[in-house]
Amino acid sequence: QQPVQSPQAVILREGEDAVINCSSSKALYSVHWYRQKHGEAPVFLMILLKGGEQKGHEKISASFNEKKQQSSLYLTASQLSYSGTYFCGTAAGSARQLTFGSGTQLTVLP
Amino acid sequence: DTEVTQTPKHLVMGMTNKKSLKCEQHMGHRAMYWYKQKAKKPPELMFVYSYEKLSINESVPSRFSPECPNSSLLNLHLHALQPEDSALYLCASSRAGLAGSYNEQFFGPGTRLTVL
Repeated sequence: QQPVQSPQAVILREGEDAVINCSSSKALYSVHWYRQKHGEAPVFLMILLKGGEQKGHEKISASFNEKKQQSSLYLTASQLSYSGTYFCGTAAGSARQLTFGSGTQLTVLP
Repeated sequence: DTEVTQTPKHLVMGMTNKKSLKCEQHMGHRAMYWYKQKAKKPPELMFVYSYEKLSINESVPSRFSPECPNSSLLNLHLHALQPEDSALYLCASSRAGLAGSYNEQFFGPGTRLTVL
């Protein structure tokens, strides 16, 4: 089942902060975050695992609420390069594959 | 080398053609994936290979036929496609494990396929 992402789109000015949310109705094993720029491949940002382990880029911050099956990606002091579509991918139960959310389009303006 | 390469970048084919997409990685990853992505939509998983064996087929029509000749290569053979199969086809790889979802996936740039 596809996770639900919010908001669908957000427009920021450089230096502003944003939060992107991802929620699932299933008990999650892991949540992944990727960013995809137009015409390019998705790029890995962060993995959050059940039990609290995280791995990803140092400048990326995210949280995973296991009780609520929700994850949030925090983008602080946004830069023009942050523009793109952000996808969360979730793995539930024993499933080894990811199901991606519908995406959040982030636009950072100068 | 942290790159996944895909060829060709663009492909236009008729509904009666047979063509193949190729994906290659040299990161020692033992899990490889094919995704289909329509415009403004998320990637949709098609196939997963783990240690060169097909482990997941997400009910993909038989006109798509995957092949994993070795641990570095992944092919997707196409035959008798429909116009609605036009999309960006992404290949990805990751370290395999008991749960592939623990490991980040590295995506290739994709092949943009148009079926006429």
